[in-house]
Amino acid sequence: DAGVIQSPRHEVTEMGQEVTLRCKPISGHDYLFWYRQTMMRGLELLIYFNNNVPIDDSGMPEDRFSAKMPNASFSTLKIQPSEPRDSAVYFCASSLIWGQETQYFGPGTRLLVL
Amino acid sequence: QKEVEQNSGPLSVPEGAIASLNCTYSDRGSQSFFWYRQYSGKSPELIMSIYSNGDKEDGRFTAQLNKASQYVSLLIRDSQPSDSATYLCAVTDERTTDSWGKLQFGAGTQVVVTP
Repeated sequence: DAGVIQSPRHEVTEMGQEVTLRCKPISGHDYLFWYRQTMMRGLELLIYFNNNVPIDDSGMPEDRFSAKMPNASFSTLKIQPSEPRDSAVYFCASSLIWGQETQYFGPGTRLLVL
Repeated sequence: QKEVEQNSGPLSVPEGAIASLNCTYSDRGSQSFFWYRQYSGKSPELIMSIYSNGDKEDGRFTAQLNKASQYVSLLIRDSQPSDSATYLCAVTDERTTDSWGKLQFGAGTQVVVTP
């Protein structure tokens, strides 16, 4: 299996622009997670999906962030408009089942908002 | 506010020695505990999971869990330079149906193994 795939790997944009991050989970995994990692706040869960349905988005920082999962093999995290404080590494992870099951992380997208 | 606490380090360990990492958590309801390793510029990868009190060994790694004292630790025996990384402790949030299984991560402990 190719593992969790994320694109782009690096993104540099200017404040106010729309940013779309993409994720392809491991085939057959029912759960998909979006995390953000910064030096100040560490690794934070933003939102997770079960069978393409958003279950908990309490970690989404504000309305500028939105996430979708139109099918089992694709998810997007969108930031509109972007701000410099959104600069971080965004990870997507997937797991087969809930709770004790291992979450497999993608390589991450390094986002820099100027 | 539920928290997962780790010493940020860096923890400097001579090659061949034992590295000892500690993690405390505030939510007594937590049931599942994980240690992830993250190399600089890479994504976290799971190295150990533990669900019941006591020790769990996997190769050079041993996880220890004490739910009464609310801590979980990781021992790395015969430390190698390749073990130099940040180790993240993660705990599940199982207070409600919606949050059950949701991972909360500590800030991580940086380990540096010196030859």
